Amino acid sequence: RKEVEQDPGPFNVPEGATVAFNCTYSNSASQSFFWYRQDCRKEPKLLMSVYSSGNEDGRFTAQLNRASQYISLLIRDSKLSDSATYLCVVSIYDRGSTLGRLYFGRGTQLTVWP
Amino acid sequence: DTEVTQTPKHLVMGMTNKKSLKCEQHMGHRAMYWYKQKAKKPPELMFVYSYEKLSINESVPSRFSPECPNSSLLNLHLHALQPEDSALYLCASSQDASKPHFGPGTRLTVT
Repeated sequence: RKEVEQDPGPFNVPEGATVAFNCTYSNSASQSFFWYRQDCRKEPKLLMSVYSSGNEDGRFTAQLNRASQYISLLIRDSKLSDSATYLCVVSIYDRGSTLGRLYFGRGTQLTVWP
Repeated sequence: DTEVTQTPKHLVMGMTNKKSLKCEQHMGHRAMYWYKQKAKKPPELMFVYSYEKLSINESVPSRFSPECPNSSLLNLHLHALQPEDSALYLCASSQDASKPHFGPGTRLTVT
């Protein structure tokens, strides 16, 4: 079973649409959660961290449900420039270590069309 | 300086060659990573260095040999690679073992 599961999509939405991505993780010891964005043939870039209380950054809202081991990302008022692959990332710390192993979901591809 | 740099951007090598990938960060981050990413797949962790010491090796074949000369530099020495090792190799750094900052990667082709 994979540590992080994501619907790969693709999601094709018009400009201005609201789109939501979901992600589940299998290890209840997971401690940190992130969404990264990766453009074609580029490196992943941190979009936002995800907190239990939920957090928002402009048009982006991230939610974490620890009981269900579920993470979500909501994008409102989609822009053409939002087209990318969105990676759900979970960090698990080794016992007694301050280093976390990051586990990436396979990514969800989003295309926003005019 | 808030970026991770990697050289070269592209590399083509034969199966008998020896080459090295280089990574540099000047953010004072204590952890540095090597990831491998195949097309349409997520990045896979290879190695983690913490305070210049190898902390995690994800059972990577010995034809990949990491080196951390100092807190700002991370190398990946390559020898006798196979065509299936062709991928994007990403270096990353982080301060507190989370939220790594990725470099632009080296696109490696093994012929």
